[in-house]
Amino acid sequence: AQSVAQPEDQVNVAEGNPLTVKCTYSVSGNPYLFWYVQYPNRGLQFLLKYITGDNLVKGSYGFEAEFNKSQTSFHLKKPSALVSDSALYFCAVRERGGFKTIFGAGTRLFVKA
Amino acid sequence: DAGVIQSPRHEVTEMGQEVTLRCKPISGHDYLFWYRQTMMRGLELLIYFNNNVPIDDSGMPEDRFSAKMPNASFSTLKIQPSEPRDSAVYFCASSLTAANTEAFFGQGTRLTVV
Repeated sequence: AQSVAQPEDQVNVAEGNPLTVKCTYSVSGNPYLFWYVQYPNRGLQFLLKYITGDNLVKGSYGFEAEFNKSQTSFHLKKPSALVSDSALYFCAVRERGGFKTIFGAGTRLFVKA
Repeated sequence: DAGVIQSPRHEVTEMGQEVTLRCKPISGHDYLFWYRQTMMRGLELLIYFNNNVPIDDSGMPEDRFSAKMPNASFSTLKIQPSEPRDSAVYFCASSLTAANTEAFFGQGTRLTVV
């Protein structure tokens, strides 16, 4: 069975510092991997995805994520955090050949000015 | 396109009442998903449709929950009878056919059952 783990409930970072939100997964084969962001009282918004190819994926709002097959990880990163990045971040995984997407529990990011 | 549209945004109902949540997916999207979000359980996939046909409803918690998609532009999630533990935010999402495409989420319906 596929699963996603986001080991940190919350990440705190100062504005201007780099940020990392961690994600590990368990799924057979080579999955599709996604990151979404959720702002208060809003639906989830797509940030980026890994399909194949380059392990470093660039997405919206300056975010990027690094796929590491050996560690089954897909950590979200940003070189310089903004206060406006404060939100709830979800990692998601989908098996190739399927449409059932499993989401992690979410990590709340706080960026302090 | 206006995106995925859900209604109502908020619903407060009494235990035992029937509740119907509505969703209009993005035009041209072949897949539609219903999710439930709670603090305790996070984001759970309830059911998804492909070309209006239910494909996987294994996430539907009980027989009190039912979902339909009578056409490509409309879906409903019904809870009958509702219970306080059904209180959650319910999201509808849609996506294109290709399996590597992302889902687009509506703004959700916050359901409170008192």
